[in-house]
Amino acid sequence: GAGVSQSPSNKVTEKGKDVELRCDPISGHTALYWYRQRLGQGLEFLIYFQGNSAPDKSGLPSDRFSAERTGESVSTLTIQRTQQEDSAVYLCASSPFGDTEAFFGQGTRLTVV
Amino acid sequence: SQKIEQNSEALNIQEGKTATLTCNYTNYSPAYLQWYRQDPGRGPVFLLLIRENEKEKRKERLKVTFDTTLKQSLFHITASQPADSATYLCALINQAGTALIFGKGTTLSVSS
Repeated sequence: GAGVSQSPSNKVTEKGKDVELRCDPISGHTALYWYRQRLGQGLEFLIYFQGNSAPDKSGLPSDRFSAERTGESVSTLTIQRTQQEDSAVYLCASSPFGDTEAFFGQGTRLTVV
Repeated sequence: SQKIEQNSEALNIQEGKTATLTCNYTNYSPAYLQWYRQDPGRGPVFLLLIRENEKEKRKERLKVTFDTTLKQSLFHITASQPADSATYLCALINQAGTALIFGKGTTLSVSS
């Protein structure tokens, strides 16, 4: 596609449910990032993929959060047993090599009720 | 620990003036620094990248400087317009090269 695509755009879920957020990066981009942005706050780094590997998972806030990437393409961020504190916009970005500009998707707005 | 600070949460200026935003970092030496613009409800959009061996970079009305001694970058918008109103973010790759870390941003408001 022409840009980074994230789905769904909005997700409302009940506390305790699991959710999966999807990111389709720009074709050919080897680097992929996930961020969380709470209302009125800055971007909180979650995880970085180079290819299908995540060299550093220390940004994930808890063991309820996991992410994977396959085929050096699509990435999925999974949040298990969601809590109200997980409510935020989750942003994905991709970059050709990881040391150049990052292109962001429009984000998934997650609301846990 | 490595920190990025944008020392103004908000900046209000008159149309036509130059806006200057500051980004300071501590405890590491990045090879480059990036600036992004974020509008409400949207993802950040890349503006400029400046490398450690570049003192200054320009793009249309935008100018970025990078002082590795002061550990500081300045972002200037000349002849500012109301359409420039947005949040501006600086970003650095961490020391391990495993994360692109963003500052909290400065929200610029340009009034006509």
